[in-house]
Amino acid sequence: GAVVSQHPSRVICKSGTSVKIECRSLDFQATTMFWYRQFPKQSLMLMATSNEGSKATYEQGVEKDKFLINHASLTLSTLTVTSAHPEDSSFYICSAPATGHSGNTIYFGEGSWLTVV
Amino acid sequence: QKEVEQNSGPLSVPEGAIASLNCTYSDRGSQSFFWYRQYSGKSPELIMFIYSNGDKEDGRFTAQLNKASQYVSLLIRDSQPSDSATYLCAPTKGGSNLFFGTGTRLTVIP
Repeated sequence: GAVVSQHPSRVICKSGTSVKIECRSLDFQATTMFWYRQFPKQSLMLMATSNEGSKATYEQGVEKDKFLINHASLTLSTLTVTSAHPEDSSFYICSAPATGHSGNTIYFGEGSWLTVV
Repeated sequence: QKEVEQNSGPLSVPEGAIASLNCTYSDRGSQSFFWYRQYSGKSPELIMFIYSNGDKEDGRFTAQLNKASQYVSLLIRDSQPSDSATYLCAPTKGGSNLFFGTGTRLTVIP
């Protein structure tokens, strides 16, 4: 089946620095990708929709300038957490829809654990 | 009103029993309904999806959809300890972004 890959799987950074997380569709093209954040024991929260060649669409309450999203190609979207703070520590997950004979199926990347110290 | 509602559980069933997971959604325009399984600390993995009213079976899993009632469920037959996880229901429109419920935590007791 379709595969979505994320990198890095775990990252620790200092407060105030920026961290980039990559999301790649490995065997299909994705004009749209989705970024989620999940705090421990909580549900997945959609942060933004990444659109290839155009600006991302952010969900209410998500700071555009803090969470920079770039979707420069049909197989790669990046999320950059700028000026990271300890409260940004979370599990970040991307997903992408792959079109099959039954319509679109959405696949998730492996997720990226971010710890800000 | 939440877009997706699930009983957070925990739901405990003995090994070999049938686990029944329920989900209601608010958007009548939803077209496809996905069930994901998420183990602690891991990313969700797709179990199955359904888009037509009725039942859809895949191995030990059966998804049931009733669009009139805005209700979708997942049955797990012959539950195994390895099925212990959080199950996420996600309606979508034509493959657009998924909104998840809080998920139901299932524990299968050996």
